[in-house]
Amino acid sequence: DIQMTQSPSSVSASVGDRVTITCRASQGIRNSLAWFQQKPGQAPKSLIYAASSLQSGVPSKFGGSGSGTDFSLTISGLQPEDFATYYCQQYNTYPPTFGPGTTVDIK
Amino acid sequence: EVQLVESGGGLVQPGGSLRLSCAASGFTFSYYWMAWVRQAPGEGLEWVASIKQDGSGEYYVDSVKGRFTISRDNARNALFLQMNSLRAEDTALYYCARDWGVWGSYYFDYWGRGTLVTVSS
Repeated sequence: DIQMTQSPSSVSASVGDRVTITCRASQGIRNSLAWFQQKPGQAPKSLIYAASSLQSGVPSKFGGSGSGTDFSLTISGLQPEDFATYYCQQYNTYPPTFGPGTTVDIK
Repeated sequence: EVQLVESGGGLVQPGGSLRLSCAASGFTFSYYWMAWVRQAPGEGLEWVASIKQDGSGEYYVDSVKGRFTISRDNARNALFLQMNSLRAEDTALYYCARDWGVWGSYYFDYWGRGTLVTVSS
């Protein structure tokens, strides 16, 4: 199975900050990488697929990049509603696997 | 609006069985692969199983093969997960999710709120 790692595991930031989260795959996965946001007590919400394509309705302050094994999610102009846990997921190789998550909390 | 609503979770003893359901609305259910994804308390996400549009293909994570069965009823817009021989490590919040691609992409674009399964004596 492909192992997904994320860094940092948590980050403290202030409203208005820009935050970047990285995700690494243990093998090349082309651009078959998705990002999800999860708030406490809520279902995961899809943000980005194909490494850089925004899911419908997701604001452009979320941006994704990368290909192969290294990917990143950038959140610009952090707002209170953006404080959450973010997961990456590869869907290039069966079985699909998720990263361990990165928690973005308020500094 | 796409909606996925899970039900059927609860407390069950080790070795017991449980059947989860997911009611889908807001899209043409029969066009999409569907999946179950779980999240153990305080842990990350783990894909559990997926099923083709017509139910002709089922796919499972190794840890549940032979114990769990995914199925669907397209006439009722419903997805199911029959869980047998449950173990403590199956304790998790189980999410129903829609697969984005009609070919089975394993990218999940919509998720339900989940139903909690607790396996404990």
